[in-house]
Amino acid sequence: EDQVTQSPEALRLQEGESSSLNCSYTVSGLRGLFWYRQDPGKGPEFLFTLYSAGEEKEKERLKATLTKKESFLHITAPKPEDSATYLCAVQARNFNKFYFGSGTKLNVKP
Amino acid sequence: DAGITQSPRHKVTETGTPVTLRCHQTENHRYMYWYRQDPGHGLRLIHYSYGVKDTDKGEVSDGYSVSRSKTEDFLLTLESATSSQTSVYFCAISDTTGSNEKLFFGSGTQLSVL
Repeated sequence: EDQVTQSPEALRLQEGESSSLNCSYTVSGLRGLFWYRQDPGKGPEFLFTLYSAGEEKEKERLKATLTKKESFLHITAPKPEDSATYLCAVQARNFNKFYFGSGTKLNVKP
Repeated sequence: DAGITQSPRHKVTETGTPVTLRCHQTENHRYMYWYRQDPGHGLRLIHYSYGVKDTDKGEVSDGYSVSRSKTEDFLLTLESATSSQTSVYFCAISDTTGSNEKLFFGSGTQLSVL
């Protein structure tokens, strides 16, 4: 069964304190792994797609990496505006369904 | 913005009443999805559509039906709402550009069933 688990559930950081969020997955042939950011009261906003082990993507203070069993979202020198819930999702090969983890709620204090 | 509009944004209804949520897209994408989001469960797929009149069930489809009579509109109906269907509902469309594929989400509908 396709499954996505994110950890930790919540993370509090001081501004400038770098850290990583984890997304572990089991899927019958990975078609793509996706990271989203969600602000309160809004829909998820697309960040990255990763397709194969070893791939990396960067955007400002965020960097996503992928292995055969998990993905990491590294946040370098975070700012308070990076506070949000970060969601991970996978899409299995030959399927057009996307399976989401429960998310990591990030709070960055000034 | 991906051109997705959900309506209504907020809805309060009573147990046993029918409810229809609407998702409208201006992108002409083939795939459309309905998800619900609850604390501790993340986003769970209810139903999805891969074309006009073509739909399939997701992981939490019991108590829900969908219809897609036009490319741009995807309706979610709760035939007889229950308190367990209190949730935030998100519509999404799938954007495929070459080999790239990702979901774009609407702003959500907060549904409360009393």
